[in-house]
Amino acid sequence: KNEVEQSPQNLTAQEGEFITINCSYSVGISALHWLQQHPGGGIVSLFMLSSGKKKHGRLIATINIQEKHSSLHITASHPRDSAVYICAVRSGSGGSNYKLTFGKGTLLTVNP
Amino acid sequence: KAGVTQTPRYLIKTRGQQVTLSCSPISGHRSVSWYQQTPGQGLQFLFEYFSETQRNKGNFPGRFSGRQFSNSRSEMNVSTLELGDSALYLCASSRYPQGGWEDTQYFGPGTRLTVL
Repeated sequence: KNEVEQSPQNLTAQEGEFITINCSYSVGISALHWLQQHPGGGIVSLFMLSSGKKKHGRLIATINIQEKHSSLHITASHPRDSAVYICAVRSGSGGSNYKLTFGKGTLLTVNP
Repeated sequence: KAGVTQTPRYLIKTRGQQVTLSCSPISGHRSVSWYQQTPGQGLQFLFEYFSETQRNKGNFPGRFSGRQFSNSRSEMNVSTLELGDSALYLCASSRYPQGGWEDTQYFGPGTRLTVL
């Protein structure tokens, strides 16, 4: 079993829909990252979370440390949101002693 | 402000050769991290450099190495290339080391390495 599991693997939505991508992990973490990768490879760091909730524009990320689960929500989805969304967790005892583990990604396609 | 740049963008090598990839971080960023991305394994962390020192290393064989220069530019080297080393190699820079309160990483476009 992978340490980081994302669901769904693929998601197709119509423009305007509310989207949720989930990330579950099995280890204790110090932080969780959400990344966005567009076709062609470019990656953008969307959020870093260690607790609670963060919002940036139409994107909302939440994390429940007790349940070892995070969600990325996109409100009023748009075709430009089409991308692969990757969850990454940082574990370890702190400082330079960390381990980064990545989920396999969720491919989101938003149709006009 | 210029973004993270990586050179070359594409590279074709044959098994047994070695390769050096370059990454120039955003001005003022002292941390550079390297990642490998393949269809099978996804993204994997290679190493992080901060102030010319390797700060952390992922689970990769010793054929993968790197260094950072005093201007924060970084290079990674892969010796004795194998077919399985074909991948997109990404670097990312941040102002502060990974693990801190604010370590937002800014990724470069990647170098696509093909090993024949």
